[in-house]
Amino acid sequence: GESVGLHLPTLSVQEGDNSIINCAYSNSASDYFIWYKQESGKGPQFIIDIRSNMDKRQGQRVTVLLNKTVKHLSLQIAATQPGDSAVYFCAERGQTDKLIFGTGTRLQVFP
Amino acid sequence: DTAVSQTPKYLVTQMGNDKSIKCEQNLGHDTMYWYKQDSKKFLKIMFSYNNKELIINETVPNRFSPKSPDKAHLNLHINSLELGDSAVYFCASSPTGDTQYFGPGTRLTVL
Repeated sequence: GESVGLHLPTLSVQEGDNSIINCAYSNSASDYFIWYKQESGKGPQFIIDIRSNMDKRQGQRVTVLLNKTVKHLSLQIAATQPGDSAVYFCAERGQTDKLIFGTGTRLQVFP
Repeated sequence: DTAVSQTPKYLVTQMGNDKSIKCEQNLGHDTMYWYKQDSKKFLKIMFSYNNKELIINETVPNRFSPKSPDKAHLNLHINSLELGDSAVYFCASSPTGDTQYFGPGTRLTVL
């Protein structure tokens, strides 16, 4: 089995509940933010992104909120399903045009 | 299938050997990347190429050499492999430098 990632912050939710995953970013000059989902043994998969001129963006069952004042990003997942279980990463893009990834949060969904 | 693909998926080798990982994208993207994901799931950029030209070169040992024969391919060659090189390596591509699309990863184990 995979022993890596056990030290990741973990959010446990019941199926059907809403999930909120939080992320603090470091660079106040970052202009673009993105959330990825990584399932075990797979590459990160794009979920949703937001530019710094927006506060909120909605997708299908997901919403990203950006609070530039406190440099905080959150991902809300509505009606969480077992298939949502994964590690979620936020990333910011600063002046150097490269994505800086956060440490990741493991989402566990219980029936 | 339209995707970012990597070969091999698993690579097990002895210390001191030289190995290559290949990446191809058929998305028509101009920019390609290599990332390293360590045992704690931390994802860090190594290199970025735009239209075969090196754009980002993080502080990676010069044992790592990326090569882009054309804009659809970005290969990673690693000389004199060390134990600390064991990780999962991800290739990604992007049309604009914003959203990046990741490959499935190559798990490298150095014995």
